[in-house]
Amino acid sequence: GDSVTQMEGPVTLSEEAFLTINCTYTATGYPSLFWYVQYPGEGLQLLLKATKADDKGSNKGFEATYRKETTSFHLEKGSVQVSDSAVYFCALTTNQAGTALIFGKGTTLSVSS
Amino acid sequence: DAGVTQSPTHLIKTRGQQVTLRCSPKSGHDTVSWYQQALGQGPQFIFQYYEEEERQRGNFPDRFSGHQFPNYSSELNVNALLLGDSALYLCASSFRHTLVTGAQETQYFGPGTRLLVL
Repeated sequence: GDSVTQMEGPVTLSEEAFLTINCTYTATGYPSLFWYVQYPGEGLQLLLKATKADDKGSNKGFEATYRKETTSFHLEKGSVQVSDSAVYFCALTTNQAGTALIFGKGTTLSVSS
Repeated sequence: DAGVTQSPTHLIKTRGQQVTLRCSPKSGHDTVSWYQQALGQGPQFIFQYYEEEERQRGNFPDRFSGHQFPNYSSELNVNALLLGDSALYLCASSFRHTLVTGAQETQYFGPGTRLLVL
């Protein structure tokens, strides 16, 4: 079945470091891909999305490119801040799954000053 | 513009009891989805409501049921609570396109209801 695999955390970085969180997927059809972020004690916020191969989603300095050939959607940011500390979830939807989001297990990012 | 709201924020129940959680969608949205997020895990899809009917369901038992009202708000009911039902329950709203375009509507999440079953 459809699934999402994320790198396990926690990821611990110093402020201004480069961030990569790996995400790969297995899906039938042509999925749409998403990154959601969950700050402590809060619900999920959509960070960015891409709906077709080679699309790049970007928001708040974060970027991710939909790579069909490697079935990946890695999240990157050039310079992280303490306020980026949160849990990041990669997710997908496919026509077969309807509009249900299928999530990875999440990656915890901790940024120190 | 109010986002997705959920109530209550926290809830404590005992095994065997029943619980009802509530969700109001973002203004302009007509579709509500419910997810269960166990501690340290990603959210898992429970079901989705549109036009007051359950349109899609994940792998959850019949103890989980729901309802959508004419104003698009929704309830999630869980009967015969088990310890394993302890989780954060998230509601997400979206706007369903009337024509099937293949594009997936973006879902916006509420803050969740944290349920503890003792």
